Amino acid sequence: QSVLTQPPSVSAAPGQKVTISCSGSSSNIGNNYVSWYQQLPGTAPKLLIYENNKRPSGIPDRFSGSKSGTSATLDITGLQTGDEADYYCGTWDSSLSVVVFGGGTKLTVL
Amino acid sequence: EVQLVESGGGLVQPGGSLRLSCATSGFTFSSYETSWIRQAPGKGLEWVSHISSSGRTIYHADSVKGRFTISRDNAKNSLYLEMNSLRAEDTALYYCAREGPRSHFDYWGQGTLVTVSS
Repeated sequence: QSVLTQPPSVSAAPGQKVTISCSGSSSNIGNNYVSWYQQLPGTAPKLLIYENNKRPSGIPDRFSGSKSGTSATLDITGLQTGDEADYYCGTWDSSLSVVVFGGGTKLTVL
Repeated sequence: EVQLVESGGGLVQPGGSLRLSCATSGFTFSSYETSWIRQAPGKGLEWVSHISSSGRTIYHADSVKGRFTISRDNAKNSLYLEMNSLRAEDTALYYCAREGPRSHFDYWGQGTLVTVSS
């Protein structure tokens, strides 16, 4: 059971928009920055979003992040088949003194 | 180019030990915090251990506390994970990752597979 809660799967058609949620508590998301990772099949995770809404160099602006209270959201617009992957949220938990991840969300582009 | 390359994984019997290494290049290793993160087959990400840039601050997940030890050698640009009393549930792909200032992981290695089985 993960400390952060994500939906196990989401799906949408090419060109559409999808939203992936990440729910936590005041000890983690509520008082710390959230990051998001994309893991394509058979590869290492890749940083997509850091500090809630910042994109590393090279990440297209189709990917955006936001945070409100104890929840965070990853939006992906203009879906492409190449976006099919597992997506994870992560943050620091101040009470546990550990990094916590969500259980991951599998994105299917229909 | 930033690179992290893990090594040291393999098949080990329950109760055994392994030492993982992570060789880094392309950045000033001594300036960055780093972590080990693992992924069991078909499962999600699980953070394992963190070490500060100087090595003075260390955190471990409860699941490995007392059994695993993280360390680093800044002169060799390398990160290590000493794993003792290994259990079947430690079977996973182990990644080393460079940390940004707000507990995010901006560069990852390709992972080294640890299999604990008799």
